[in-house]
Amino acid sequence: DAGVIQSPRHEVTEMGQEVTLRCKPISGHNSLFWYRQTMMRGLELLIYFNNNVPIDDSGMPEDRFSAKMPNASFSTLKIQPSEPRDSAVYFCASSLLGGGTDTQYFGPGTRLTVL
Amino acid sequence: AQSVAQPEDQVNVAEGNPLTVKCTYSVSGNPYLFWYVQYPNRGLQFLLKYITGDNLVKGSYGFEAEFNKSQTSFHLKKPSALVSDSALYFCAVREGSNYQLIWGAGTKLIIKP
Repeated sequence: DAGVIQSPRHEVTEMGQEVTLRCKPISGHNSLFWYRQTMMRGLELLIYFNNNVPIDDSGMPEDRFSAKMPNASFSTLKIQPSEPRDSAVYFCASSLLGGGTDTQYFGPGTRLTVL
Repeated sequence: AQSVAQPEDQVNVAEGNPLTVKCTYSVSGNPYLFWYVQYPNRGLQFLLKYITGDNLVKGSYGFEAEFNKSQTSFHLKKPSALVSDSALYFCAVREGSNYQLIWGAGTKLIIKP
């Protein structure tokens, strides 16, 4: 298995631009999590999906952030418009919830820099 | 409310010595406990977990952790540290059917040759 795949690995953009981060979860997993990691705030859960349905988006910072999961093998996290304070590493993780093994497996992350 | 505490920001250990990275938790029900490791510029990697059963859990790379219900702790241990164990370690907990993980702040482990 290729593991969780994220793209791009690095993204540099200017303030005000739209940014789209992509994630392909592990095949057969039914849940997907988006996290943000910064030095100041550590690891924060932004949103998670179960069976492609958003379950809890209370961690999404504000309306500039949106996430979708159109099918079991793909999810996006979009920031529009981006701001310098959005600079962080964004991780996607997937797991098989309810199957007795609910370990989250992380992708390599996308390092976002907003200038 | 659920919470996780990793009381040490950094732990320094000489290579070959035993290491311990501490974690305490607070949940209202039965805890599911996890340890992850993060190497520089990498994603988090699963090390081990406790769900039920034997209090001593063995995981990847020779790590183990002991669940202590009375002390609400889940400390990560290794008998003999390697320089390559130097990384950031995260403890996480969830309670029962709540699938969200609550994460500790992380502990930087430095193993000196």
